[in-house]
Amino acid sequence: GAGVSQSPSNKVTEKGKDVELRCDPISGHTALYWYRQSLGQGLEFLIYFQGNSAPDKSGLPSDRFSAERTGGSVSTLTIQRTQQEDSAVYLCASSLSEGTQYFGPGTRLTVL
Amino acid sequence: ILNVEQSPQSLHVQEGDSTNFTCSFPSSNFYALHWYRWETAKSPEALFVMTLNGDEKKKGQISATLNTKEGYSYLYIKGSQPEDSATYLCATTNFGNEKLTFGTGTRLTIIP
Repeated sequence: GAGVSQSPSNKVTEKGKDVELRCDPISGHTALYWYRQSLGQGLEFLIYFQGNSAPDKSGLPSDRFSAERTGGSVSTLTIQRTQQEDSAVYLCASSLSEGTQYFGPGTRLTVL
Repeated sequence: ILNVEQSPQSLHVQEGDSTNFTCSFPSSNFYALHWYRWETAKSPEALFVMTLNGDEKKKGQISATLNTKEGYSYLYIKGSQPEDSATYLCATTNFGNEKLTFGTGTRLTIIP
């Protein structure tokens, strides 16, 4: 079956611009997560959606970052006024409630 | 141990040799230990999830063990093949919290 998909696979933007990253989770998965890996760092948690519950936003590094999950399926991560330190690989994962998280291929974001 | 730590950071192994590496984690509030394999330009692939002290899991030539009392897990690869080259990530989840806390990974290179 189809796995988690993300778009775009690569995004180059100029400092100060806004970007939107998209995640299509596995059909039927109720939980969706965003993580990122900056250069030389481990994967770090950003935000977590579970069903209709309020999202856990505790990992978002600043108020320039926000995410939505529409209709319990597709999610968009938005970064406003991008900075060079936002350059990273952004990974999305989905799972059945408390099950194994399945990852997408990621979006590589480069902020010039 | 305050964070999830992995060692070594990188490893070169001759094809056919066996190898192992370590993940250390805080024991307090621990729920589960996850191992992922992340090949370049692909999605991280879930290998194992372990929750109980003494758990052992096996998938082909790869196996893992878990010691929750002392807070460590070992991943073993028997008879390494070039296709085993990847970054191996471990991550923990705590009770009541589904977000993964990752180590920085062990980058394994198999030399033909």
